[in-house]
Amino acid sequence: NAGVTQTPKFRVLKTGQSMTLLCAQDMNHEYMYWYRQDPGMGLRLIHYSVGEGTTAKGEVPDGYNVSRLKKQNFLLGLESAAPSQTSVYFCASRPQQGELAKNIQYFGAGTRLSVL
Amino acid sequence: QKEVEQDPGPLSVPEGAIVSLNCTYSNSAFQYFMWYRQYSRKGPELLMYTYSSGNKEDGRFTAQVDKSSKYISLFIRDSQPSDSATYLCAMQVSGNTGKLIFGQGTTLQVKP
Repeated sequence: NAGVTQTPKFRVLKTGQSMTLLCAQDMNHEYMYWYRQDPGMGLRLIHYSVGEGTTAKGEVPDGYNVSRLKKQNFLLGLESAAPSQTSVYFCASRPQQGELAKNIQYFGAGTRLSVL
Repeated sequence: QKEVEQDPGPLSVPEGAIVSLNCTYSNSAFQYFMWYRQYSRKGPELLMYTYSSGNKEDGRFTAQVDKSSKYISLFIRDSQPSDSATYLCAMQVSGNTGKLIFGQGTTLQVKP
């Protein structure tokens, strides 16, 4: 019972390098989210998707791109990494059906990214 | 001003103490109120969920929502060292996007 799996768990980048973070869920959830967590800032929404082939901007989308080509996967890309993108990144997913079920987001274990 | 404000702590209490964690918010459209618990180097997991105003109890945990004051609380009775974690409040307006607005998180340490 994997739930939400994020890869990689850790990564160190140099300024200007690019990378892709992968989120995979095996719960057949429609909705998926990417957050970043910084000290004293809580979790802030970067981008989200309400279904396969759809994406939308969240609170802090600049410098990131996303794709949802398959329902189970949600990719977060950094085209040209900056030190300000040093953070812990969390992916979450949520089912569409059911009143209570609609509001529970299930999180992955996170990716710790350092940009030097 | 942030939509959701939460005292980041840290908060340190002895085992067995009653813990009170709080969040205030400014958006009166919030309908769903949640508390997530996050252990060190782990992802958040849902602890309590409340719709609109009122209280909800689950074992040693009680969540309260006061929409008139735009204030929510989480109480932990008989706190245990295993309760040591960061507690994040989260809120959502009704609708289908499911976007959550999180507080900054309060770090709690329960000392044996």
